[in-house]
Amino acid sequence: AQSVTQLGSHVSVSEGALVLLRCNYSSSVPPYLFWYVQYPNQGLQLLLKYTSAATLVKGINGFEAEFKKSETSFHLTKPSAHMSDAAEYFCAVSLTNTDKLIFGTGTRLQVFP
Amino acid sequence: GAVVSQHPSRVICKSGTSVKIECRSLDFQATTMFWYRQFPKQSLMLMATSNEGSKATYEQGVEKDKFLINHASLTLSTLTVTSAHPEDSSFYICSADLAGEPLGTQYFGPGTRLLVL
Repeated sequence: AQSVTQLGSHVSVSEGALVLLRCNYSSSVPPYLFWYVQYPNQGLQLLLKYTSAATLVKGINGFEAEFKKSETSFHLTKPSAHMSDAAEYFCAVSLTNTDKLIFGTGTRLQVFP
Repeated sequence: GAVVSQHPSRVICKSGTSVKIECRSLDFQATTMFWYRQFPKQSLMLMATSNEGSKATYEQGVEKDKFLINHASLTLSTLTVTSAHPEDSSFYICSADLAGEPLGTQYFGPGTRLLVL
């Protein structure tokens, strides 16, 4: 069965610093992996997705993630944090041959001036 | 493109009443729509998957008689919380998938916050 684990429920960075949000997955078959962002009291917005093409995936708002099969990881990064990046970030994996998504527990990103 | 709306965005109701939440795909036809529930500071929990014209598929532990889902068209799905109780208070989020996108790609609505008094 597929699952995702997000290490660190809270991450705090200074404005301009590197953002690194960790996600590890478990899947017996090549997975489809996603990062979503949720701003307060809003739904989720797709940041980026990995669907077995390029291992380095670029998303919106300057975010990118790298699929590393050997490490079963799909960490989300951004070179320079902005105040507007403060939000909840969810990693998700899709169940094989279905549209269902399994979400991680989320990581709250705080950005300090 | 791929915009999903929900209505209402916030609803307060008395215990024992029923509440209907609408989920619409505004600029595309959704083959499948999903309903999630999110508790404060927690992740999303999938409640059910619905396809137009067929019965919804509920996840284990979700009462189908409590949470009625109707998927009347390719652009509209509704979730009715019947005989709501305070423990049903939560943030309900719907999503829809778009034909041709990789499996798992979902577009989410802005959510509906339900408060049952």
